Amino acid sequence: GAGVSQSPSNKVTEKGKDVELRCDPISGHTALYWYRQRLGQGLEFLIYFQGNSAPDKSGLPSDRFSAERTGESVSTLTIQRTQQEDSAVYLCASSRNSGANVLTFGAGSRLTVL
Amino acid sequence: GNSVTQMEGPVTLSEEAFLTINCTYTATGYPSLFWYVQYPGEGLQLLLKATKADDKGSNKGFEATYRKETTSFHLEKGSVQVSDSAVYFCALSGGGSGNTGKLIFGQGTTLQVKP
Repeated sequence: GAGVSQSPSNKVTEKGKDVELRCDPISGHTALYWYRQRLGQGLEFLIYFQGNSAPDKSGLPSDRFSAERTGESVSTLTIQRTQQEDSAVYLCASSRNSGANVLTFGAGSRLTVL
Repeated sequence: GNSVTQMEGPVTLSEEAFLTINCTYTATGYPSLFWYVQYPGEGLQLLLKATKADDKGSNKGFEATYRKETTSFHLEKGSVQVSDSAVYFCALSGGGSGNTGKLIFGQGTTLQVKP
């Protein structure tokens, strides 16, 4: 597609529920990144996918967080047993390859945990 | 590990004022440096970048020079407009983090320009 597409744009859930966030990267972009942006704070790196290589999961904050990517296309970020501190905007970005260094970001998925 | 520190906001300026947003970094090796901008209701966009020491990135009247001696990448604009109101993020990649393209961001600086 023309840009990075994320869904849902807004999600309100109850504490303890599982949520799934989706990212469609730009076609042909082999690298995909997930970031978290808490209110008034910077972006925290969560996870990075590059082609068929093992993902870099070093930023995932707990084992409640997981992400998958099918080949070089769609990625889903899953948060299990959500907590209030998970409330944030989750941003997805893609780039043509890992060395390109220019990331194109989606508009984000705003998650609110009540 | 690598890190980026930005001046705290919010920064409030009148139209046509001079803007500086300070950014310093800590990294091993030779990172690439970036400024991203997030306009209200929109996703992050690359504003400018510099990939080696003494490089100057520029775009839309904004400039930043990669200063290795002071480990800085300050953002400047000579005359701001109301439309420049946004959140500005300094970021780095590489430089000991490997060449994965993974960005490390500063905390962001909110700029508000008043007419």
